[in-house]
Amino acid sequence: DTAVSQTPKYLVTQMGNDKSIKCEQNLGHDTMYWYKQDSKKFLKIMFSYNNKELIINETVPNRFSPKSPDKAHLNLHINSLELGDSAVYFCASSHGGRGSWTLHFGNGTRLTVT
Amino acid sequence: TQLLEQSPQFLSIQEGENLTVYCNSSSVFSSLQWYRQEPGEGPVLLVTVVTGGEVKKLKRLTFQFGDARKDSSLHITAAQPGDTGLYLCAGAASNTGKLIFGQGTTLQVKP
Repeated sequence: DTAVSQTPKYLVTQMGNDKSIKCEQNLGHDTMYWYKQDSKKFLKIMFSYNNKELIINETVPNRFSPKSPDKAHLNLHINSLELGDSAVYFCASSHGGRGSWTLHFGNGTRLTVT
Repeated sequence: TQLLEQSPQFLSIQEGENLTVYCNSSSVFSSLQWYRQEPGEGPVLLVTVVTGGEVKKLKRLTFQFGDARKDSSLHITAAQPGDTGLYLCAGAASNTGKLIFGQGTTLQVKP
């Protein structure tokens, strides 16, 4: 039973393309996140949604646009991909957001921009 | 900006040895977590410490939260190859609603 699932697992694309990563959680959580893990394994938050409402929006280029159609899904669309976007992107969810900090992560999407 | 610094960044030891990983900050956190991440997978929560001075044990792993809630340590006794992985500390900043991660410690335990 996959708790947080994200697709695709691997994504290889060329500069300038537009791509999307999908995430779904079946834990009944109301808060979902996108994190970016760089080549040095540093994990940095990008966005957070609580009940479909954006609550955290870090300093991320506006080429990145999250969309939450319902509280079980949080997708990430990236326009005009650049070499520096290459990283592993993790979706996560938690129950309650602030004050309830246990994050359940998906297994990541490794994005390679060539 | 709240930062968490982990040390060491890399650790390679023999099976049976003990080790300690440190997580330090100049900021106070409402709670602190430790996650473990294996290759190709997402981080998985090991423990959450909430009270200053709190000590929690998980089999051979001992976690401590500093009295001032600015630092934490993870001690592994008699490390085993199965302990190999990336260990991440994460501090909860209640005023910003964010979980801040340290840079991680990559542990390799050789048989």
